[in-house]
Amino acid sequence: DSGVTQTPKHLITATGQRVTLRCSPRSGDLSVYWYQQSLDQGLQFLIHYYNGEERAKGNILERFSAQQFPDLHSELNLSSLELGDSALYFCASSGTGGPTNEQFFGPGTRLTVL
Amino acid sequence: GDSVTQMEGPVTLSEEAFLTINCTYTATGYPSLFWYVQYPGEGLQLLLKATKADDKGSNKGFEATYRKETTSFHLEKGSVQVSDSAVYFCALSDLFSGGYNKLIFGAGTRLAVHP
Repeated sequence: DSGVTQTPKHLITATGQRVTLRCSPRSGDLSVYWYQQSLDQGLQFLIHYYNGEERAKGNILERFSAQQFPDLHSELNLSSLELGDSALYFCASSGTGGPTNEQFFGPGTRLTVL
Repeated sequence: GDSVTQMEGPVTLSEEAFLTINCTYTATGYPSLFWYVQYPGEGLQLLLKATKADDKGSNKGFEATYRKETTSFHLEKGSVQVSDSAVYFCALSDLFSGGYNKLIFGAGTRLAVHP
């Protein structure tokens, strides 16, 4: 158990809908990262928050947004969903940052868009 | 931009065989290198890491050496077990290219070990 929790574990929804994925980092970790894992794109970095502030963006679509709250949990909002958004979404957390800082991954949320 | 290239899988081995999974990288700065493992139905777990050239990361019998001259970080294990069956991801983090240790992953290599 990494100490990172993600809810829900599975999510099935329809095209055009909006969903929210939630992540609670390990106790004391200030950084939260979101990644998307799909069969065609592999594991892709989406976005990074540090202590409530956005720090880096990767290949995140404009239909997607995220935020990190004062209690450090984070939410990833996906809207106007398309079939191609079906994927595993992972959240990871780390401490104070820096390239040697290990990232701890949650179990993921599997999103299926029908 | 930075990238990681892994050997394609699946890799199928018999128990107690020697394992090598190749990984090479391209980076702007001086990246840290990682191997993560994903067991079926689970998230990613850090297997080992190396933060500078010639460092050797090791864990659970797995080893990888950071080779700057060949930009490689190959994963090895002397004797695999059935329980090692999983998908292995090579990754890098480069503070000077995008910053704040986002991880850039390779495509992953599926390992299947048979008794």
